[in-house]
Amino acid sequence: SQTIHQWPATLVQPVGSPLSLECTVEGTSNPNLYWYRQAAGRGLQLLFYSVGIGQISSEVPQNLSASRPQDRQFILSSKKLLLSDSGFYLCAWSRPVFGAGEQYFGPGTRLTVT
Amino acid sequence: QQPVQSPQAVILREGEDAVINCSSSKALYSVHWYRQKHGEAPVFLMILLKGGEQKGHEKISASFNEKKQQSSLYLTASQLSYSGTYFCGSRGSTLGRLYFGRGTQLTVWP
Repeated sequence: SQTIHQWPATLVQPVGSPLSLECTVEGTSNPNLYWYRQAAGRGLQLLFYSVGIGQISSEVPQNLSASRPQDRQFILSSKKLLLSDSGFYLCAWSRPVFGAGEQYFGPGTRLTVT
Repeated sequence: QQPVQSPQAVILREGEDAVINCSSSKALYSVHWYRQKHGEAPVFLMILLKGGEQKGHEKISASFNEKKQQSSLYLTASQLSYSGTYFCGSRGSTLGRLYFGRGTQLTVWP
């Protein structure tokens, strides 16, 4: 069976500090991978998605970036955090492109920028 | 392209029924339903592909009206465990990305 991991679970960072969130998927090959952000009490905002190693599509131009160095690893980064970057960051995977597209979410990282 | 969900919030007593609607201004290939409990990640409930099929998951079922570009989620005899925020997601094609609605907050009281 497939599992998705995210770490850290919670993070408190000062404004202007860097960020690195990691997501890994087990039990599947060549998954589509996604980063979402959810502000408190709000919906799901797609930040990045990837259909393969090194292939990243950005949905929202931000001070965030994403990388996919390995097939089942997806990293979200920032060089300098803003207060507005606070939120619940969710990584998700789905089967490759021609699948039904249902997405499975990881446990999330709760980021507070102070 | 974000689907519109209604209502925004529902409050129920245990055992009551509820319907959550999801509509899109674009043609739909599939509709996905997720439930998110407070502080947790969304959990996939079911997917409906175009063809107007109806699916069920425990006492939760959903329909998809392709012509009306709408889907409805039916919660029958609500249980306390049904509380949470329900999101619908829509795709316009097999290659399209998933767009999520803003969510419907469902609260079930004993």
